[in-house]
Amino acid sequence: DGGITQSPKYLFRKEGQNVTLSCEQNLNHDAMYWYRQDPGQGLRLIYYSQIVNDFQKGDIAEGYSVSREKKESFPLTVTSAQKNPTAFYLCASKPLPGRGNQPQHFGDGTRLSIL
Amino acid sequence: RKEVEQDPGPFNVPEGATVAFNCTYSNSASQSFFWYRQDCRKEPKLLMSVYSSGNEDGRFTAQLNRASQYISLLIRDSKLSDSATYLCVVNTLDSGGYQKVTFGTGTKLQVIP
Repeated sequence: DGGITQSPKYLFRKEGQNVTLSCEQNLNHDAMYWYRQDPGQGLRLIYYSQIVNDFQKGDIAEGYSVSREKKESFPLTVTSAQKNPTAFYLCASKPLPGRGNQPQHFGDGTRLSIL
Repeated sequence: RKEVEQDPGPFNVPEGATVAFNCTYSNSASQSFFWYRQDCRKEPKLLMSVYSSGNEDGRFTAQLNRASQYISLLIRDSKLSDSATYLCVVNTLDSGGYQKVTFGTGTKLQVIP
């Protein structure tokens, strides 16, 4: 079955530690996105990418980094510079606009907590 | 002004009621629009796309008004299982030619027995 896989489902981080959240899709989608959601809040865009080796900052990129070495993969690193990383992180993907205005598909999310 | 605005609610409605949500967007060049449903502690799931001509899926009707820059979602005969947060989503091409996807903060619906 095609879909988006995020791992791990739950992640605990010590202060001052970098951690990387995995996002893999087998939908052959060009565009991929990372969002952060805090309790009772909406989704906020961290980074997005439309092609391999290219990505753009979203609204809250500070303290995060990404890479897009393969079309299928868009890992997010939460660095020690992100002072309040506890949140629900969602990865999404969609075809490029040229293939119709398609909606995003989401992974199940990763819950990150600080120890 | 936020790019996409929704009333956060909560909307507490009895079973069987009809409820309507609105969402406004600021960029007149926005291209495509969707409603998503998000259950507590879960990922958002696509509910329906939104078109100017309006579209219906069972008890759900979505409508786009480009002139006034808002989209709406109507839920008829509310069920307990409709209780969730409903997210409005707007796709826009940014200045670099990238398609940016913007979510509203969501409207919480609680259907009461």
